Amino acid sequence: GENVEQHPSTLSVQEGDSAVIKCTYSDSASNYFPWYKQELGKRPQLIIDIRSNVGEKKDQRIAVTLNKTAKHFSLHITETQPEDSAVYFCAASRRNNDMRFGAGTRLTVKP
Amino acid sequence: GAVVSQHPSWVICKSGTSVKIECRSLDFQATTMFWYRQFPKQSLMLMATSNEGSKATYEQGVEKDKFLINHASLTLSTLTVTSAHPEDSSFYICSARPPPVATGGRIMNTEAFFGQGTRLTVV
Repeated sequence: GENVEQHPSTLSVQEGDSAVIKCTYSDSASNYFPWYKQELGKRPQLIIDIRSNVGEKKDQRIAVTLNKTAKHFSLHITETQPEDSAVYFCAASRRNNDMRFGAGTRLTVKP
Repeated sequence: GAVVSQHPSWVICKSGTSVKIECRSLDFQATTMFWYRQFPKQSLMLMATSNEGSKATYEQGVEKDKFLINHASLTLSTLTVTSAHPEDSSFYICSARPPPVATGGRIMNTEAFFGQGTRLTVV
């Protein structure tokens, strides 16, 4: 089955700096890679996703890159703000009835 | 976006009793729902995949007789924690994905929507 690894487990940055979170996956047939943000006490919410037919996707301060050959994908947050502080999860999916999550990254943005 | 509703949001029960948690997809049909357990400051641990009209698929190490899953309709899955013990105290959260969509001749998988989660405390 699919195995998703995520690094780092914790990340602390200064407000305005960039943050990068990396994930690797094992199933070369995975074709959908979402990123979720979970604030304290709340449910995870999708912030961006990428499919296997593209290598990069950007939405304002958030971007995701995908390297299918190396089987890794990354989340990039630029100009970080304190409200970006949360736990971020990557995931990989091959079929609609299967989605595997990484272990999560606790991001802290210091004002 | 689609809505997944989970109930109750929190529950306190006595050791030895059973607790049922409901997960509903409010505006789409979900043939598959997922149940996760999340410890404080830790990841989403997939417990089982709930399949409408058939048995759930449990992850390794999850006791299927303790965590009963029923997916009787396309919009409702339930998780029952039987004979609960203090070590079962945790945050349980479900998710569901709308059916895949066909776009430009390709089948596109959909994002997962999460319920609000249920904080279970066993005393």
